[in-house]
Amino acid sequence: DTEVTQTPKHLVMGMTNKKSLKCEQHMGHRAMYWYKQKAKKPPELMFVYSYEKLSINESVPSRFSPECPNSSLLNLHLHALQPEDSALYLCASSQDPPRGYTFGSGTRLTVV
Amino acid sequence: AQTVTQSQPEMSVQEAETVTLSCTYDTSESDYYLFWYKQPPSRQMILVIRQEAYKQQNATENRFSVNFQKAAKSFSLKISDSQLGDAAMYFCAYYGGATNKLIFGTGTLLAVQP
Repeated sequence: DTEVTQTPKHLVMGMTNKKSLKCEQHMGHRAMYWYKQKAKKPPELMFVYSYEKLSINESVPSRFSPECPNSSLLNLHLHALQPEDSALYLCASSQDPPRGYTFGSGTRLTVV
Repeated sequence: AQTVTQSQPEMSVQEAETVTLSCTYDTSESDYYLFWYKQPPSRQMILVIRQEAYKQQNATENRFSVNFQKAAKSFSLKISDSQLGDAAMYFCAYYGGATNKLIFGTGTLLAVQP
């Protein structure tokens, strides 16, 4: 299995809703990442988990809350989002970062 | 701080022709890695090719090859025999141990004309 699976593929949520994005990989990768990508822009790093511990938080607002329940799963909990948070959210994993990251196909989030 | 620059926001190539996408970067590290990622309209980010800075030989993957000029801090991607499926946004990316992050350029949108 050489894939990173993200669910859901599309999500529409109101500003008062609470939702979660899920990411799963079974490649034995020990580092997992959340990126946010706006249209026609490069991905922006949000969080890095290394060996299930949060190692990098790129000053992301607290309305985004990451969680790594085990080495295969990564969640992103969303609460009280703003319309400007609408974007493609990409999950990635890597065994050894210089070898390259494997990306999921993303969750397209719309906040209304 | 490390930066990655892609000076060509858009490029166009005829099917079966060759196109070169440019990328320059700035770093003070001596050991780092460079990547080209492809992102088609499906938005899946796909690794195209990878280059280790300590290797002088340019990486190749089938129709894709790079011209890595370490002194000039340049890392261009050449796509030979372009195919319609090559149409996508291409991102150049840098990884160095000091930041432990993958840093992306702004991207080049490649169109392939039949």
